[in-house]
Amino acid sequence: QSALSQPPSASGSPGQSVTISCTGTSSDVGRYDSVSWYQQHPGKAPKLMIYEVTKRPSGVPDRFSGSKSDNTASLTVSGLQTEDEADYYCSSYTDSDNRYVFGTGTKVTVL
Amino acid sequence: QVQLVQSGAEVEKPGASVRVSCKASGYTFTTSFMHWVRQAPGQRLEWMGQIHIGSSSTVYSPKFQGRITITRDTFASTVSVELSSLRSEDTAVYFCAKEGSSGSHFTKSFDYWGQGTLVTVSS
Repeated sequence: QSALSQPPSASGSPGQSVTISCTGTSSDVGRYDSVSWYQQHPGKAPKLMIYEVTKRPSGVPDRFSGSKSDNTASLTVSGLQTEDEADYYCSSYTDSDNRYVFGTGTKVTVL
Repeated sequence: QVQLVQSGAEVEKPGASVRVSCKASGYTFTTSFMHWVRQAPGQRLEWMGQIHIGSSSTVYSPKFQGRITITRDTFASTVSVELSSLRSEDTAVYFCAKEGSSGSHFTKSFDYWGQGTLVTVSS
């Protein structure tokens, strides 16, 4: 079961921006506008931050934004705050029998 | 408000089966999809399968095919996953996750999650 590829870590100072990439293939990220992003604090359940590439659920700050180009999706967190320190996972629908694939995860550190 | 409340931690021996349940409230249960996602210690999220509550139609990840069964009880607003032939690699936190909807379509994302259930497989 192949995973989407994410950088293991990313960091920034408070107020700065950080961008996380999520690289898949033409069978998942490149084919469907069904990329979503999840924030997970230690010992907690994931929280949906972005769905359908660019859309934010109600209650998610507009500091979080998503985009996609070809087989790579990205999550940008602007105006970093200490509470943004967490693991972030991307996910995509896929035309394989597996249906959904998650990324390898990125640990965001606020310096 | 939407809530997904899962059953408690389980400890099982290799070769045994385990059943984890997820009770839903706060939304129209019968027209939704529910998914199961697991996370081994220190590892990434892994999709296991889904069920359409109304039709009880299921789709399973090929990795778990033959070992997994997802069921629903519409009267109790509960979804359950059963995993058989357990091995040590199945030690993980298991999450139920509701699929989001927007207007007339489902978003293929997971907008609400249960709190997670730790399943430990050990002899």
